[in-house]
Amino acid sequence: SQELEQSPQSLIVQEGKNLTINCTSSKTLYGLYWYKQKYGEGLIFLMMLQKGGEEKSHEKITAKLDEKKQQSSLHITASQPSHAGIYLCGALPNSGGSNYKLTFGKGTLLTVNP
Amino acid sequence: GAVVSQHPSRVICKSGTSVKIECRSLDFQATTMFWYRQFPKQSLMLMATSNEGSKATYEQGVEKDKFLINHASLTLSTLTVTSAHPEDSSFYICSVLGPSNQPQHFGDGTRLSIL
Repeated sequence: SQELEQSPQSLIVQEGKNLTINCTSSKTLYGLYWYKQKYGEGLIFLMMLQKGGEEKSHEKITAKLDEKKQQSSLHITASQPSHAGIYLCGALPNSGGSNYKLTFGKGTLLTVNP
Repeated sequence: GAVVSQHPSRVICKSGTSVKIECRSLDFQATTMFWYRQFPKQSLMLMATSNEGSKATYEQGVEKDKFLINHASLTLSTLTVTSAHPEDSSFYICSVLGPSNQPQHFGDGTRLSIL
């Protein structure tokens, strides 16, 4: 089965600093999703990456999928307290097709100090 | 605005009670919905796939008689935790498979506490 490892597990940064969160898969990724979750709440969809080398941006958040499609990074520029939360990467199984079950990493807890 | 509505957001009840959680797709018809469980400081664990008009498919280790899923319409799936016990206390989240099957949109979750 596919496993996703996220690093770091937690991160504390000063407001205005840049940061990167990584998601590494044990198998080639068919589709990689980034979500944000505030504790005790639902998940907010951020971005989806499918093609090797793909990069997408949403406001100050950029996500990349490496060429081999086994690792993705999420980069936040000039972090704000509103960026605080748990960032989760989720992946579709390599088989693709009609299997849309997501496997999630354990998440990265981001704290942004004002 | 919200794409998925999950209700209730929090439930506290006595051991032995059955609890029903609703997941509604607000913006589109959803033939497939997913139910997840999340323990504190851990990731989401898929429990089952809810299929409109047919039986849900459960992940290995999830008791289908314990966690009853009904997907009677294209906009509503329900998860019933039957005869709940303290070990069933957890955060339950549903998701809806979006148009063209991507991405999954999540509800706000239900925190279930069994006393």
